[in-house]
Amino acid sequence: EVQLQQSGAELVKPGASVKLSCKTSGYTFSNYYMSWLKQMPGQNIEWIGNIYGGNGGTGYNQKFKGKATLTVDKSSSTAYMDLSSLTSEDSAVYFCARDGDYFDYWGQGVMVTVSS
Amino acid sequence: DVVMTQTPVSLSVSLGGQVSISCRSSQSLVHNNGNTYLSWYLQKPGQSPQLLIYKVSNRFSGISDRFSGSGSGTDFTLKISRVEPDDLGVYYCGQGTQYPPTFGGGTKLELK
Repeated sequence: EVQLQQSGAELVKPGASVKLSCKTSGYTFSNYYMSWLKQMPGQNIEWIGNIYGGNGGTGYNQKFKGKATLTVDKSSSTAYMDLSSLTSEDSAVYFCARDGDYFDYWGQGVMVTVSS
Repeated sequence: DVVMTQTPVSLSVSLGGQVSISCRSSQSLVHNNGNTYLSWYLQKPGQSPQLLIYKVSNRFSGISDRFSGSGSGTDFTLKISRVEPDDLGVYYCGQGTQYPPTFGGGTKLELK
């Protein structure tokens, strides 16, 4: 059974950074891309970028370049997303999702709240 | 970026009824390889989105045949027949033909 388990909710101060994780199981991590997506409360879903589990190759939405940095640890089949210089506009739920031309499996999501 | 426009924004249905959701893209979603990467997702309250349909009309594993997708080019439709309580939530269409992948604004399905 494919599973994507995300880390817990984060409360961070403006200007700080946060690192989110997405631990996978049930499939060959290195054979798939992993995407990260953002959903602000009551709003649309935005694609942040993706990373290939095999070689760590990345692709980013221009909107999130400089904001998000994606990495993987193949040894633990885990994907990570660093978000930097956080502002209130970064308060949202962030999902990881397996990416194979469509998003077939999703993590449960993690809420990031940026507040002083 | 490709803009995805869903209509209606909300929909009321009686249990056992049938509904259709429309999704239009600002550009053709036919990829150079001939595939059309249009998907449908359902997000139930408090949950992450789940894949229902991929490449226009293919049901994902475990998805009921009450869900069907159709369309081509820039116009697509999701039909749900014999609506059940577990079908309620927000439906999103999404495209993966052109980068970046984009989603429609969602259609909220509620009970009448």
